[in-house]
Amino acid sequence: QKEVEQDPGPLSVPEGAIVSLNCTYSNSAFQYFMWYRQYSRKGPELLMYTYSSGNKEDGRFTAQVDKSSKYISLFIRDSQPSDSATYLCAMTVGSQGNLIFGKGTKLSVKP
Amino acid sequence: DAGVIQSPRHEVTEMGQEVTLRCKPISGHNSLFWYRQTMMRGLELLIYFNNNVPIDDSGMPEDRFSAKMPNASFSTLKIQPSEPRDSAVYFCASTLLGSSTDTQYFGPGTRLTVL
Repeated sequence: QKEVEQDPGPLSVPEGAIVSLNCTYSNSAFQYFMWYRQYSRKGPELLMYTYSSGNKEDGRFTAQVDKSSKYISLFIRDSQPSDSATYLCAMTVGSQGNLIFGKGTKLSVKP
Repeated sequence: DAGVIQSPRHEVTEMGQEVTLRCKPISGHNSLFWYRQTMMRGLELLIYFNNNVPIDDSGMPEDRFSAKMPNASFSTLKIQPSEPRDSAVYFCASTLLGSSTDTQYFGPGTRLTVL
């Protein structure tokens, strides 16, 4: 079993839809959880950063962590064509030095 | 700030040739990471340095791969000899470990094709 599992998609939604992206993990020691966004032919960029369990909101984006279920989610409200990208979850035990990434979910938001 | 700079952006080479990828981290960052991204395996950490010292190289696939960081503003990843299965996008990232967010900033990547 891989440490981090993420459905690769692709996921296609109409503009304005609510998008739900998810990852599951097996290592209960993970404490820091991140979502990166990667546009085509670009490097990943940090979108959301959460420590331990709970929710974090930033504009149209909400990150949720459920450590009891080893499950994290990213919600995008009122999705826009500019949100079309690959979204990668990442997590680490205690240091940015050992980020474990999911394979990424490719999202396409159609106008 | 110019961000993380990688060169070359694209590299096409023949099997058996030596390949050298270069990275300039963000000024003031103390940690540097090399990743490889493929469709099959996703984004994998190869090696990371803290204060120019290699900390974890367990992701380096085999002896054909080597990485150096001679100073705080430059790192190289070398593949010798290269093989077709090394074809991937190689990313460099840097961060200031110990800061409040420890965010890793990625470069634009080097797309390597080994024929």
